[in-house]
Amino acid sequence: EPEVTQTPSHQVTQMGQEVILRCVPISNHLYFYWYRQILGQKVEFLVSFYNNEISEKSEIFDDQFSVERPDGSNFTLKIRSTKLEDSAMYFCASIKLNRDGEAFFGQGTRLTVV
Amino acid sequence: GIQVEQSPPDLILQEGANSTLRCNFSDSVNNLQWFHQNPWGQLINLFYIPSGTKQNGRLSATTVATERYSLLYISSSQTTDSGVYFCAVESGGTSYGKLTFGQGTILTVHP
Repeated sequence: EPEVTQTPSHQVTQMGQEVILRCVPISNHLYFYWYRQILGQKVEFLVSFYNNEISEKSEIFDDQFSVERPDGSNFTLKIRSTKLEDSAMYFCASIKLNRDGEAFFGQGTRLTVV
Repeated sequence: GIQVEQSPPDLILQEGANSTLRCNFSDSVNNLQWFHQNPWGQLINLFYIPSGTKQNGRLSATTVATERYSLLYISSSQTTDSGVYFCAVESGGTSYGKLTFGQGTILTVHP
């Protein structure tokens, strides 16, 4: 069964460093998303991406964050200068089509900023 | 924005018991999904159920969109059912597919 794949599963980084979280959505999906979950809290929307541009972003998604779909398969989230409060689980999700709106999530990347 | 409330926040069961988890939402929705977050943090799709009733083995779900709630039923619970159950909704007026999650119900099933 096709699935959303995220790498790495766990990343530890120094405060102030740049990190890139990678996702390979399901191949025939057209809508892409990043969410994050701070430990013990609910899952929060960060950004949605369709047709090579951002559709919507949350207040969390400030200038330190960017997303890119550099080729036909990868979808990345970059954090330019990490802060301690960026420590969280980051989930990538994808949806196939309009009118078939089930979102499929990757297994997550646990980011720890020290 | 839309508010999503789940109840109860915590639930402790003995193996074999049945349970009902509830999700209330404050506005009309285009999409509703139930997820199980396992101990490794993975979000597992349980149901895509914007309306109606679905069943999958010991689990079933019902969404009554006109009354703005959804229910997840777990029958004959097993220890492997433990984890956090999230309801997530997509409301109108936001970008397609954007999900708003509830706070979750933490389920613990004891042997």
